[in-house]
Parts: sequence; structure tokens; C-alpha cells
Amino acid sequence: RKEVEQDPGPFNVPEGATVAFNCTYSNSASQSFFWYRQDCRKEPKLLMSVYSSGNEDGRFTAQLNRASQYISLLIRDSKLSDSATYLCVVKLRQAGTALIFGKGTTLSVSS
Amino acid sequence: NAGVTQTPKFRVLKTGQSMTLLCAQDMNHEYMYWYRQDPGMGLRLIHYSVGEGTTAKGEVPDGYNVSRLKKQNFLLGLESAAPSQTSVYFCASSYPPAGGTDTQYFGPGTRLTVL
Repeated sequence: RKEVEQDPGPFNVPEGATVAFNCTYSNSASQSFFWYRQDCRKEPKLLMSVYSSGNEDGRFTAQLNRASQYISLLIRDSKLSDSATYLCVVKLRQAGTALIFGKGTTLSVSS
Repeated sequence: NAGVTQTPKFRVLKTGQSMTLLCAQDMNHEYMYWYRQDPGMGLRLIHYSVGEGTTAKGEVPDGYNVSRLKKQNFLLGLESAAPSQTSVYFCASSYPPAGGTDTQYFGPGTRLTVL
């Protein structure tokens, strides 16, 4: 079983739509959780960290459910510039371990 | 402040050739990583380093070697390239090293094709 699994996508939505991405992780030793954004043929960049209490950054809201080992990302009022691949990422508890990436979900926002 | 840079950006090799990919960071980060990204596979860790002079294996280390002789540089070597190593290679660095939500910063990637 893949350690981090995401919605298969792709998601095609009109501008202004609300879209939600889901992600599950299998390792209960996962300590930190993130959403990264990757534009076509570019490097991944941190979008936001995900905290147990849930957190919001403008139009983006991230939620974490440790009991269900489930992470979500909600994007409100989608913009054309939101078109990208969104990567669900976890980090294990051990110091120095690298990030474990999901395969990503592609979002395409159209006018 | 250039962040994380990678050299070269593109390379085409023939099977059996060797090459070295260079990653450099100017953020004084302790940890550095090499990932590969293949279609439908997501990013996978090849090797990583927790400090100058140290390296460790990641998820897919076979066919690669690494060195961290200087804190700011992390080299990835392919001794005898194979077509299966055709991929996009990303380097990343982070600080602080121990737990927490330390952000990893990625370089722009190296696109390698092995014929």
C-alpha cells in the first residue's frame, strides 16, 4: 500500500468554484503534514503546513484528522493561477527523515 | 541569495556513461536531499545527508552514489547510467534538522535522459 494516497484527479473546475482534495497516509509515525504545489515542469513549493486544529491561509484551508489518518485541502473561489498539481506530503517522526510524497492531484481552473 | 541551484538543467547520456549532478545551497542548511520524479510515481527519495561528511540511503538508492564534502554542496553520481534512470532529479535542503515543520526548499530540477 502506498504510504500517501491522494484523489486520482484531474479536477477541472470553473473560476470561482470550490474544490477539495483528500489524502490518506498509512504510517501512524507520521509527524508533520504539508501541501506542496507543483507547476508544470517546475520544482515543488510549500503551499502550507497542516496542523491538527486545522489552518487557513486566505482561500486555502487545510484539515488533519490523525485518528483517521486523513488530510484535506479546500480551495475557495478558484483562480486561473491555482491550476497546478497539489502534492500531499508527510514527514515521519524520526529526525532527518525526508518527505514522503503522494503522487499529486492535478487541478485545472478554466475561465 | 540564490536558494538551491542545480547543475546541469538538462543532460542526455548514453547507456553506460557516468555523470555527476551538482546541488548547491546558500542558506546554511544542514540537511540536503536528492529525489527523483517519474510520471505517475511522485517524488521518491534517493539519498540524503544530515550534515557535512554524512550520507544515507533513501527509498531508491541503487545505481546512485552521493557525497557531501562541503556543507553547501551535495553531489549525486551515476556510475553507469541505465535507461531506467531517465527522470527529473530534484535536490532539496532544509533547516532546522530535528522534527518540527522544517520546510524543504527545492532546486529547479535536472532533466536526465538515458538512451
